[in-house]
Amino acid sequence: QKEVEQNSGPLSVPEGAIASLNCTYSDRVSQSFFWYRQYSGKSPELIMSIYSNGDKEDGRFTAQLNKASQYVSLLIRDSQPSDSATYLCAVILYGNNRLAFGKGNQVVVIP
Amino acid sequence: GAGVSQSPSNKVTEKGKDVELRCDPISGHTALYWYRQSLGQGLEFLIYFQGNSAPDKSGLPSDRFSAERTGGSVSTLTIQRTQQEDSAVYLCASTPDPGTSRTDTQYFGPGTRLTVL
Repeated sequence: QKEVEQNSGPLSVPEGAIASLNCTYSDRVSQSFFWYRQYSGKSPELIMSIYSNGDKEDGRFTAQLNKASQYVSLLIRDSQPSDSATYLCAVILYGNNRLAFGKGNQVVVIP
Repeated sequence: GAGVSQSPSNKVTEKGKDVELRCDPISGHTALYWYRQSLGQGLEFLIYFQGNSAPDKSGLPSDRFSAERTGGSVSTLTIQRTQQEDSAVYLCASTPDPGTSRTDTQYFGPGTRLTVL
């Protein structure tokens, strides 16, 4: 099993809609979870971090963490064309402090 | 308020040549990471430095790859006898204090795009 999995293919959403991204992880004792956004040809930039079960909201972004089920999700409300990017889920692996990344989900917001 | 910087931004080299990639982390950050991202792929961990501890080299793909971090700050990733499959974007990240909740966020540099002909 991969350390971090993002299985969905490219996601196309109309402008103003909600984009929903999911991620599962294998390390049951991981404590730190992140969503990064990466525009084409650019480096990843942090958009959300979450450490506790439940929801965390920041502007149009909401991260949801469920440690019992080992998944973390990201909702983008009122999607804008500028949200078109690849979204990377990342988890800090317990014991060695390195980030494990999923392969990413491409989001395309259609005007 | 400078972020993580990397140089060069682009490097084109011939197969078999050695290359050095540089990373200058955010001042005060104790941990430094190198990742590699091939076209259309996720990020692959290479190596991790934390303070004066021995680096975690578990992600280095072969003995042609090595890295050092001098004085707890600047790091250099060296690839010897480059191969075409080494072509990728090499990303560096730093963090204030890994393993401590809320200070373990990694900040990425702009990357070095390496092309091996």
